[in-house]
Amino acid sequence: SAVISQKPSRDICQRGTSLTIQCQVDSQVTMMFWYRQQPGQSLTLIATANQGSEATYESGFVIDKFPISRPNLTFSTLTVSNMSPEDSSIYLCSAHLQGATEAFFGQGTRLTVV
Amino acid sequence: LAKTTQPISMDSYEGQEVNITCSHNNIATNDYITWYQQFPSQGPRFIIQGYKTKVTNEVASLFIPADRKSSTLSLPRVSLSDTAVYYCLVVSRYSSASKIIFGSGTRLSIRP
Repeated sequence: SAVISQKPSRDICQRGTSLTIQCQVDSQVTMMFWYRQQPGQSLTLIATANQGSEATYESGFVIDKFPISRPNLTFSTLTVSNMSPEDSSIYLCSAHLQGATEAFFGQGTRLTVV
Repeated sequence: LAKTTQPISMDSYEGQEVNITCSHNNIATNDYITWYQQFPSQGPRFIIQGYKTKVTNEVASLFIPADRKSSTLSLPRVSLSDTAVYYCLVVSRYSSASKIIFGSGTRLSIRP
């Protein structure tokens, strides 16, 4: 199994500012994923964070708004830029162990933009 | 990736067996059926995965008919702590290298 730690667990931010969410995995993983989950809704994939290359974004998400870093095989960050109240959500990090089909998730970061 | 369809919500009582059915008509040969459980304020947690027939672990059983176009997650003798959202996913056999797309999930409520 893998343990995924996310920081911060929650934050309240002013509109127009940016927040960087950190995701640390206790094992080396090839790919990491970032999701957004609105209250009472399912998870929506934002992007896939590849080590050594640019992140791959899903339709409706762009790099300027959600820049992602993946400096090594155990760490990734997601930045929510120029925030507005519509960005208020839970952001989750996920990863698979090499050769495994099971995904592990962090506890999430609850973001409130005021 | 095959789209999945499952009930939006279900209710049951403690001690009952709960069966949640998922449709995945366009499942591909290399796809597995995987179920995740999510409690409030937590990330999803893997429950069970199968390819065909029946898989059982300490948490649940997964029944998959021969045509693989549907699957049923069975939770034996549920308790209040089984109240959660359950997601049925179709994932590639090679999903360590491919993304996972979540459907709407089934919100299961267990009553005393």
